Amino acid sequence: AQKVTQAQTEISVVEKEDVTLDCVYETRDTTYYLFWYKQPPSGELVFLIRRNSFDEQNEISGRYSWNFQKSTSSFNFTITASQVVDSAVYFCALNQFYFGTGTSLTVIP
Amino acid sequence: DVKVTQSSRYLVKRTGEKVFLECVQDMDHENMFWYRQDPGLGLRLIYFSYDVKMKEKGDIPEGYSVSREKKERFSLILESASTNQTSMYLCASNREYSNQPQHFGDGTRLSIL
Repeated sequence: AQKVTQAQTEISVVEKEDVTLDCVYETRDTTYYLFWYKQPPSGELVFLIRRNSFDEQNEISGRYSWNFQKSTSSFNFTITASQVVDSAVYFCALNQFYFGTGTSLTVIP
Repeated sequence: DVKVTQSSRYLVKRTGEKVFLECVQDMDHENMFWYRQDPGLGLRLIYFSYDVKMKEKGDIPEGYSVSREKKERFSLILESASTNQTSMYLCASNREYSNQPQHFGDGTRLSIL
């Protein structure tokens, strides 16, 4: 079975705070891919990052960083110094098809 | 940039109607997907297609069918619309069946009255 769990349904933070979005996955595959997508209020999902199961290096892109830990089957996403434009629904996905239920992030000015 | 275009942003239909949702992509992608998005349920795969005239059922194909007569176009068909098919429908495409990131359209918010 393949499954993605995003336990945080909604998060609100004040602008400039750091925030971490959690993603826990289940798979029996030895090779797999993990993704994060952002869905702003306009509706179109935008790809943020892809990670394969052999690459456990953390990734940083500007204010965004991702922490992949196979030992805990987690692929968490941190936004540093959040901004109002970060307000969106964020989805974690496993192997293309399997999406979590999403975390709605609201950044309050 | 890849562009995935869904024919309608908002659509209102009546129960029992046959409904067509159209999706076109302009980057010669092999794979195309249809999802529905519901609050608390995330994205659920309805059907996907990995080539012209080829299709595979996703997690929730009941009540839906698809058509892919041309590589760039993937249609979702609600054979006899019901109120429980009121939802946001998202189309996506990517290159090959190799876990490439998907490119999504803006979505169609469908209401069945």
